[in-house]
Order: sequence, then C-alpha cells, then structure tokens
Amino acid sequence: GDSVTQMEGPVTLSEEAFLTINCTYTATGYPSLFWYVQYPGEGLQLLLKATKADDKGSNKGFEATYRKETTSFHLEKGSVQVSDSAVYFCALLPNQGGKLIFGQGTELSVKP
Amino acid sequence: DGGITQSPKYLFRKEGQNVTLSCEQNLNHDAMYWYRQDPGQGLRLIYYSQIVNDFQKGDIAEGYSVSREKKESFPLTVTSAQKNPTAFYLCASSMAGGSVEETQYFGPGTRLLVL
Repeated sequence: GDSVTQMEGPVTLSEEAFLTINCTYTATGYPSLFWYVQYPGEGLQLLLKATKADDKGSNKGFEATYRKETTSFHLEKGSVQVSDSAVYFCALLPNQGGKLIFGQGTELSVKP
Repeated sequence: DGGITQSPKYLFRKEGQNVTLSCEQNLNHDAMYWYRQDPGQGLRLIYYSQIVNDFQKGDIAEGYSVSREKKESFPLTVTSAQKNPTAFYLCASSMAGGSVEETQYFGPGTRLLVL
C-alpha cells in the first residue's frame, strides 16, 4: 500500500544552518504531497504542498520539489531560525483521493 | 475568522467513562477527520466523514464513535472500550473528501489523559 518514510530525528542545528529533511514515498500514479509543521502543544499547520511532478512548493523560506523519478519530496531551508524548532510531517494524498498518509514526523531543534 | 476549533484543550477520563471531544469548523468544508497522535509517532486516522449523516472507519476505529448531524460539527466519543486512550487527538477538515489535490486543515488538538 501507499506509504511515506521520513528521516529519523531529532535533527539538531545551529541558527542559520542549512536544513534538509528527507521524505520518500511509495504510491501508484501521481499523489499530491504535503509538508505540515507542528509546534509544541499545537495542531498541524500546512507548510507547503505540490500536486504534480516537478512542482516546487514554498512557504516561509522552506521549499520542497516533487521528484517523481526518485519518489521524493525533501524539505529544505537555507537558513534556519530558533523559531523553526518543531516537528515536521511529510504526507501524501493518493491520486484517487481518500485518506492522507503521514510519515512518522521529524523533530527539528535549532540552537542559538 | 474561519477555522477549526476543538474543545476542551485538556480532558481527563476516569476508568469506564465515555468522553466526547468537540470539533467545529466554519470553513464550509464537506469532509472532516479525526486523527490520533501518540508521542514520537505519526498520525493515525480514527474516523472520517465526507458528507453529513455519513462516516467511515479509519485505521484505528475500535473503541471510538462519531456522529455527523451537522456539516460544521464532528464530535468524537472515546468509549470505555478504548483501553489505551491517552493521546493527542486532532480534528481536520477539507473542502471535499476523496478528491485529488484536497488539502486538510487541522484544529489545535485535545490532549486526553486517563486518571
């Protein structure tokens, strides 16, 4: 069945460092792909999305490109801030619709 | 402001007690969802509803029940049959469930603890 795999955390970076959180997926056809962010004690917020191959989603300095050839949707940011400390979830929506499928989440901790 | 509200923020359950978590949305979304989140894990789908008066079981429906009498409301009851209810519960909604490119929006969550 469809699935999402994220790199394990926690990821600890210094402020202004470059961030990559890997996400790969298994799905038939062309799913839609999402990154959500969860700050401590809160619900999930949509960070960015991409709905077809080679699309790039971007928001708040974060970017991710939908790579069909490598079935990946890696999250990147050029310079992280302490306020980016959170748990990041990669998710896919199958091309026939239905339920969102989540990765296990990757905790990011940014130190000053 | 449009959005999804969940109440209460914290809920305590005694042994053998049923408790109900509230979820309300004013986004005019057709579809609503309930997820459970355990520490260090991803989200697991409990129930979802694509239209009023209809709902389907998700991956972990045992010990839970829902109703969808109004478009804006999707309450979740955690019954005494749920033996390990301690978790963070998240409600979500989307414009039309089951279609491609749909984006789910989440509420702030309810943390359920067992006394």
